[in-house]
Amino acid sequence: NAGVTQTPKFRILKIGQSMTLQCTQDMNHNYMYWYRQDPGMGLKLIYYSVGAGITDKGEVPNGYNVSRSTTEDFPLRLELAAPSQTSVYFCASSYSPDVSVGTNTEAFFGQGTRLTVV
Amino acid sequence: GQQVMQIPQYQHVQEGEDFTTYCNSSTTLSNIQWYKQRPGGHPVFLIQLVKSGEVKKQKRLTFQFGEAKKNSSLHITATQTTDVGTYFCAGPGSNYQLIWGAGTKLIIKP
Repeated sequence: NAGVTQTPKFRILKIGQSMTLQCTQDMNHNYMYWYRQDPGMGLKLIYYSVGAGITDKGEVPNGYNVSRSTTEDFPLRLELAAPSQTSVYFCASSYSPDVSVGTNTEAFFGQGTRLTVV
Repeated sequence: GQQVMQIPQYQHVQEGEDFTTYCNSSTTLSNIQWYKQRPGGHPVFLIQLVKSGEVKKQKRLTFQFGEAKKNSSLHITATQTTDVGTYFCAGPGSNYQLIWGAGTKLIIKP
């Protein structure tokens, strides 16, 4: 059971380059999330999705884009990379974020992508 | 907007001492979750609390959900080196997001 798979694990980008962080889950979860975590800090929500074809902005969406064409995949696109985007990026998925939607609210995280922009 | 405050930011303990972290939400929560993130790792789910006043135990870890369902705590008895990491609480926000506390880093003094 793979869970949530993120690729790549590490990447160095030059300022102005673009890249896509891949995220796929095999648990048939509707809810998927992208977070960034700066050193020694907490999780900041970039974008999230409540199902295929539906995405919405989180706390820090500027400089990023997402798509959700299938239930399994939720790629994050960085356009025109900047040093401020140096961070660890986590993708997560869950069956439900709230017990009013479903009783199992556990979020599963990928291993993370460590991105450095130079 | 909705917030979940978590304190303290850090706690230094000697091995064998107890550790506690507290979360306080600006709104009533339907449930609260706790996660642990080891250094260099990703957050891993520990537990979910749903009922008002609920107390759950996992070996040396005790989780509590307040009567008003706005606050929660995690207490670790007799810490061990394997407990090192950052502990996060999270609760559901509007629009199906999760609202995260800032985390409490448990540091074991040498």
